Amino acid sequence: AQKVTQAQTEISVVEKEDVTLDCVYETRDTTYYLFWYKQPPSGELVFLIRRNSFDEQNEISGRYSWNFQKSTSSFNFTITASQVVDSAVYFCALSEANRGFNKFYFGSGTKLNVKP
Amino acid sequence: GAGVSQSPSNKVTEKGKDVELRCDPISGHTALYWYRQSLGQGLEFLIYFQGNSAPDKSGLPSDRFSAERTGGSVSTLTIQRTQQEDSAVYLCASSSHTPNYGYTFGSGTRLTVV
Repeated sequence: AQKVTQAQTEISVVEKEDVTLDCVYETRDTTYYLFWYKQPPSGELVFLIRRNSFDEQNEISGRYSWNFQKSTSSFNFTITASQVVDSAVYFCALSEANRGFNKFYFGSGTKLNVKP
Repeated sequence: GAGVSQSPSNKVTEKGKDVELRCDPISGHTALYWYRQSLGQGLEFLIYFQGNSAPDKSGLPSDRFSAERTGGSVSTLTIQRTQQEDSAVYLCASSSHTPNYGYTFGSGTRLTVV
């Protein structure tokens, strides 16, 4: 079974629109971490955020915000007022305490196209 | 170095040949990881090294795949008798703490088996 599901394969928006990327995870651990990474066309994965399972407080960083809800096992990512430079593939990932946090489970990614 | 360095950036090889992919982690990072990203797919864990501990090889897809890390720094991923299904981007990452701090990834090696 998929531990991390990103149901949206590809999303296209027009610049300045808001967009939300969905991430649903599955784990039996009570202690785990969730991550979002951005992979621009250059290919290198860029770390965006880390959230531990005990901290459900939403986080905002500039135009980016994250909504972590344990009740629905979701960790969604919203980009406000999207820009062309936001075009990339975005990956959600999970690491679990029972694996010493050593192995990341990645979703299959959501490709975001922001058109001018 | 300033980042995780991988070489070569691109590799085209004939089916049946062996290939070696190199990863040079960030200086001082004790943990090193290899992942594989097939076209349009997410990242698949291959192997993990932490200091002098035995590596976690649980993600290696077959015995044609092996990896080593010399002197706790540079790592080489070797694929023997390559097959077309091995075509993918191979990503290396390193981490200075327990990985819950997040990895730093290299730019990857794009392997094409023809």
